[in-house]
Amino acid sequence: GAGVSQTPSNKVTEKGKYVELRCDPISGHTALYWYRQSLGQGPEFLIYFQGTGAADDSGLPNDRFFAVRPEGSVSTLKIQRTERGDSAVYLCASSDRLNNEQFFGPGTRLTVL
Amino acid sequence: DAKTTQPPSMDCAEGRAANLPCNHSTISGNEYVYWYRQIHSQGPQYIIHGLKNNETNEMASLIITEDRKSSTLILPHATLRDTAVYYCIVRDILNNDMRFGAGTRLTVKP
Repeated sequence: GAGVSQTPSNKVTEKGKYVELRCDPISGHTALYWYRQSLGQGPEFLIYFQGTGAADDSGLPNDRFFAVRPEGSVSTLKIQRTERGDSAVYLCASSDRLNNEQFFGPGTRLTVL
Repeated sequence: DAKTTQPPSMDCAEGRAANLPCNHSTISGNEYVYWYRQIHSQGPQYIIHGLKNNETNEMASLIITEDRKSSTLILPHATLRDTAVYYCIVRDILNNDMRFGAGTRLTVKP
């Protein structure tokens, strides 16, 4: 079956611009996670959704970052006023219920010039 | 912060067993040990997890010490395709986030 998909696969933007990154989880998975991975580092947790609500957003670095999941399926990570330090691979994962294994997408590579 | 310590890199000969260690000396009673791996330019892939008993699946075996302060992931017959970064993660069953460390870069050599 289809896995987690993320679009775009690559995004290049200029400092100060707004970007949206999309995640399509595995159908039927209720839990959705966003991570950020910088070069040479492990993924860093950002936010987790259970259904439509953000159950834990403690990993979001600041208020420029926001994520939504309005219908409990697709999620969008939104970054305002991008900074060069936001450049990273943004990973999305989903799981079918609490504490089950997470299935990761291929990530979106964001480059802020 | 990650609650685990792993060697930054390891080599293994193709066809031999790869034994990847992980220290998690501050693990608490309701925390599981999870292993994921990440092949270059891909998202992480789940391998195995356990609480206190040893576990085996089609990919690997997980050996957890009796005091649960360390564990070893065993790939019984490593292939070149097993070259990846392997992450050992301690995860509270009440939480859903996972805190990755830097992992171990395993290189399987012919």
